[in-house]
Amino acid sequence: EAAVTQSPRNKVAVTGGKVTLSCNQTNNHNNMYWYRQDTGHGLRLIHYSYGAGSTEKGDIPDGYKASRPSQENFSLILELATPSQTSVYFCASGDWLANTGQLYFGEGSKLTVL
Amino acid sequence: GDSVTQTEGQVALSEEDFLTIHCNYSASGYPALFWYVQYPGEGPQFLFRASRDKEKGSSRGFEATYNKETTSFHLQKASVQESDSAVYYCALGDRNSGTYQRFGTGTKLQVVP
Repeated sequence: EAAVTQSPRNKVAVTGGKVTLSCNQTNNHNNMYWYRQDTGHGLRLIHYSYGAGSTEKGDIPDGYKASRPSQENFSLILELATPSQTSVYFCASGDWLANTGQLYFGEGSKLTVL
Repeated sequence: GDSVTQTEGQVALSEEDFLTIHCNYSASGYPALFWYVQYPGEGPQFLFRASRDKEKGSSRGFEATYNKETTSFHLQKASVQESDSAVYYCALGDRNSGTYQRFGTGTKLQVVP
């Protein structure tokens, strides 16, 4: 069973602080993704990666950085957190060349920036 | 850029009702189309996909047919159950390059017994 694990599951941060959201996948998928979920906006892509060492900007990358140090791990970094970044963040992995190309999502990380 | 539009933000039905959730897309190429379902407290889960015109995807009693002419991929189920209550997302992805998938705004389905 494909598995994507996110940490922390809940985080409260202060404005201007640094936040790192971590994601680990045991699927051996090449591609990994970070989305944020907000009411009225659905899921919006922040950053994605094709493999270790690669990161690409998604549709809403401003204020976020990403890091892919290995096949298994993909982090989302907020260097200077702002209240507008309060959201639920989802990590996903996928391999287009395998089966359906579906994405496997983690359970989400709820971030509150005060 | 490519986008997906889901017109219904919320749908309320009774058990055994027929369900339709509308999904229309705009894309410069020929995308693959997906449906995902999200239950409370969980991440989205893949339902099914279709990657060419007139192809039908289906799973768990849900189905949708890729219509290139009307740029649509509407989700349907003949008889909904209370356990189908969830948020449903339509998404599109490039069918060749394996880049990211873009999601619609989601439709919250509530089924009452």
